[in-house]
Amino acid sequence: DGGITQSPKYLFRKEGQNVTLSCEQNLNHDAMYWYRQDPGQGLRLIYYSQIVNDFQKGDIAEGYSVSREKKESFPLTVTSAQKNPTAFYLCASSIVVLETQYFGPGTRLLVL
Amino acid sequence: AQSVTQLDSQVPVFEEAPVELRCNYSSSVSVYLFWYVQYPNQGLQLLLKYLSGSTLVKGINGFEAEFNKSQTSFHLRKPSVHISDTAEYFCAVKGNNNDMRFGAGTRLTVKP
Repeated sequence: DGGITQSPKYLFRKEGQNVTLSCEQNLNHDAMYWYRQDPGQGLRLIYYSQIVNDFQKGDIAEGYSVSREKKESFPLTVTSAQKNPTAFYLCASSIVVLETQYFGPGTRLLVL
Repeated sequence: AQSVTQLDSQVPVFEEAPVELRCNYSSSVSVYLFWYVQYPNQGLQLLLKYLSGSTLVKGINGFEAEFNKSQTSFHLRKPSVHISDTAEYFCAVKGNNNDMRFGAGTRLTVKP
């Protein structure tokens, strides 16, 4: 089955700790995205990548970092600089020319 | 840049009644428009999209939407809802760049 997987489903972060959220896709999509979802605010773009070894900041990139070493993978690191990390994080991918984004099941990050 | 306004944060409706979820957008360029549905603690699933052509777009689960360029709207409709349609619905707009903007969401609650 083709699709996007995110792990873990739930993640707990301690103060001062960096944590990494995984996103993998086997759809052969070029573009991948990370969004943050907070109640009542819809989705906000953190980072996106159109091709391997390239990525761009979205609207709320501060306190986050990404890498795109393989086409299938786009991990997101929530650093200790992100002071309010509690949220639902969604990864998406798309074939750029078709414009449609397909989403993974999400990771809920909680702070201990 | 594009922006999206979903005019209703919550829409309660009885089972088998019709429903309309409203979405307005603003953009200085041609746009692509999308509706997504999100069930609790899950990712977003594409309901339908408008890229070009016919302004009436039919999607999954009996939903449809009409693109109205003069009113800059893309309202989602279903003639008869089911309990299983209870979910959060997001309208999204994308311009010529890779910038997808989401509305804040409308929570549809279908009551028996």
